[in-house]
Amino acid sequence: DGGITQSPKYLFRKEGQNVTLSCEQNLNHDAMYWYRQDPGQGLRLIYYSQIVNDFQKGDIAEGYSVSREKKESFPLTVTSAQKNPTAFYLCASSLRVGGNQPQHFGDGTRLSIL
Amino acid sequence: DAKTTQPPSMDCAEGRAANLPCNHSTISGNEYVYWYRQIHSQGPQYIIHGLKNNETNEMASLIITEDRKSSTLILPHATLRDTAVYYCIVRPHYQTGANNLFFGTGTRLTVIP
Repeated sequence: DGGITQSPKYLFRKEGQNVTLSCEQNLNHDAMYWYRQDPGQGLRLIYYSQIVNDFQKGDIAEGYSVSREKKESFPLTVTSAQKNPTAFYLCASSLRVGGNQPQHFGDGTRLSIL
Repeated sequence: DAKTTQPPSMDCAEGRAANLPCNHSTISGNEYVYWYRQIHSQGPQYIIHGLKNNETNEMASLIITEDRKSSTLILPHATLRDTAVYYCIVRPHYQTGANNLFFGTGTRLTVIP
């Protein structure tokens, strides 16, 4: 079945450590996105990518980095510079950015600090 | 800024239609109305979207008022698996940036056996 796969489902980070969250899609979508969701709050955009080898900062990019070497993959690295990384991280994709294309989401990765 | 207003919670009896309202009085002519839902600890699930005409798919129907200032999501025969938080979102179709999915607090729908 087509969809978006995020892994791992749960992740723990030690102080000063970088961690990478995986996001893979087999929907043949050009656009991919990373959001952060905090308890009781809506989604905030971290980074997005319109096409391979291109990505743009969202509203809260500080302390995060991404790459888009393949159309199917858009990994997110939470660096040690991100001082409050505990959150639910969601990856999404859409046929393209803009237009009326809906975004489809993975099931998320919950990141916690040890 | 929140562009939509939804009731914080609603209950619906299993097997009955669930009608979830959304006010978007400041919607502009090029903005679509999207509905997503989120079941606890899962990613948001796209349900339906529309511009001005009523829309129907295998999951739900979307009824948009003629002045486009409000809409209603209808789940025709609610099941226990429809218990979730439902989000109504407006965004313009031309937007080139991707900061385009503002999820507010939504409506927590509880389907009662």
